[in-house]
Amino acid sequence: GDSVTQMEGPVTLSEEAFLTINCTYTATGYPSLFWYVQYPGEGLQLLLKATKADDKGSNKGFEATYRKETTSFHLEKGSVQVSDSAVYFCALLNTGGFKTIFGAGTRLFVKA
Amino acid sequence: DAGVIQSPRHEVTEMGQEVTLRCKPISGHNSLFWYRQTMMRGLELLIYFNNNVPIDDSGMPEDRFSAKMPNASFSTLKIQPSEPRDSAVYFCASRPGVRAEKLFFGSGTQLSVL
Repeated sequence: GDSVTQMEGPVTLSEEAFLTINCTYTATGYPSLFWYVQYPGEGLQLLLKATKADDKGSNKGFEATYRKETTSFHLEKGSVQVSDSAVYFCALLNTGGFKTIFGAGTRLFVKA
Repeated sequence: DAGVIQSPRHEVTEMGQEVTLRCKPISGHNSLFWYRQTMMRGLELLIYFNNNVPIDDSGMPEDRFSAKMPNASFSTLKIQPSEPRDSAVYFCASRPGVRAEKLFFGSGTQLSVL
């Protein structure tokens, strides 16, 4: 079945460091890919998405590129801030499907 | 719009008691999902409704769990009897329709079964 694998956390960075959170997926067909973010005590919010190969999703300085050849959707940010501390979830939604499948989540701590 | 509203925010109960979690989706959204979040298993889909009808309940862990959606603006997830291993954060999410992709999550219910 469809699945998402993302790097284990926690990831601890200093402010202004470069962030990469790896995500790979297994799916039939051509899924849409997402990154959701969960701040403490809150529900998940959509951060960015990409719907087809080579698409780049971006929002709030975060970017991820849909790489079909490597079945990956890695999240990157050039300069993290303390306010970026949260849990990040990679997810997929398959064509014609209704289930959004989430990875296990990666906790990010950013130190001032 | 108020967003997806869940209640209660926190629930502490004793093993064997009945627990009812409530969700009000965003007005106009006709797809509703219940997810459970734990450290061990991450975010698991329990059940999905479309137009108030349960479409897929394959993620419901066992018969102690049941979910209903009596109308477009309200859903419940019930656990009876509750067990300590049910302790988790339960999220409700909605989206405008089957072709919509973005999920809108509530703030969750933190359930602790002692």
